[in-house]
Amino acid sequence: NAGVTQTPKFQVLKTGQSMTLQCAQDMNHNSMYWYRQDPGMGLRLIYYSASEGTTDKGEVPNGYNVSRLNKREFSLRLESAAPSQTSVYFCASSLGQRNTIYFGEGSWLTVV
Amino acid sequence: GESVGLHLPTLSVQEGDNSIINCAYSNSASDYFIWYKQESGKGPQFIIDIRSNMDKRQGQRVTVLLNKTVKHLSLQIAATQPGDSAVYFCAEKETNFGNEKLTFGTGTRLTIIP
Repeated sequence: NAGVTQTPKFQVLKTGQSMTLQCAQDMNHNSMYWYRQDPGMGLRLIYYSASEGTTDKGEVPNGYNVSRLNKREFSLRLESAAPSQTSVYFCASSLGQRNTIYFGEGSWLTVV
Repeated sequence: GESVGLHLPTLSVQEGDNSIINCAYSNSASDYFIWYKQESGKGPQFIIDIRSNMDKRQGQRVTVLLNKTVKHLSLQIAATQPGDSAVYFCAEKETNFGNEKLTFGTGTRLTIIP
């Protein structure tokens, strides 16, 4: 039981490049989330998917897109990376929106 | 907007002593609160949660206290161990239908001194 697995762990991008962060959970959870964590800011919600087939914007969605590929997988895409998107990204999941959220190990992204 | 804050950004505690980490919240509509532990280079790990219809909940070596009157949340860790060194976040959620936003505090770094 791996929980929430996200890849890659580390990535360096040049400004303007695109990339996709992958996330999968094996807990049969319905809800999945993408957060970013910046120093002094706490975790901020980028996008979430309350259930398979739905996605909604969170607090800081600009510059990102998401895809809920199936119940297990929820990917985050940066179409044209900017230095302001340098951050640590966490995927998370929960059984439902009213349940505890469990996090992956994080993806360190640097945009130069 | 609402905010979740921590009174102390850093806390050092002697191994074996008890520690208390505090958190203030401003959204009186929040009805679900969670404490997470984050070790360096890892994701936040769920520790304990409490709903607004309770004022105390205990787990293994941890206790969460909720004071809704002053909108204050605390995490007590008993008999601290070196493995307790980490950043601890509180988070609040307003679980009314259609608004499930979880708001995180910036965290307190707990250091256990051997």
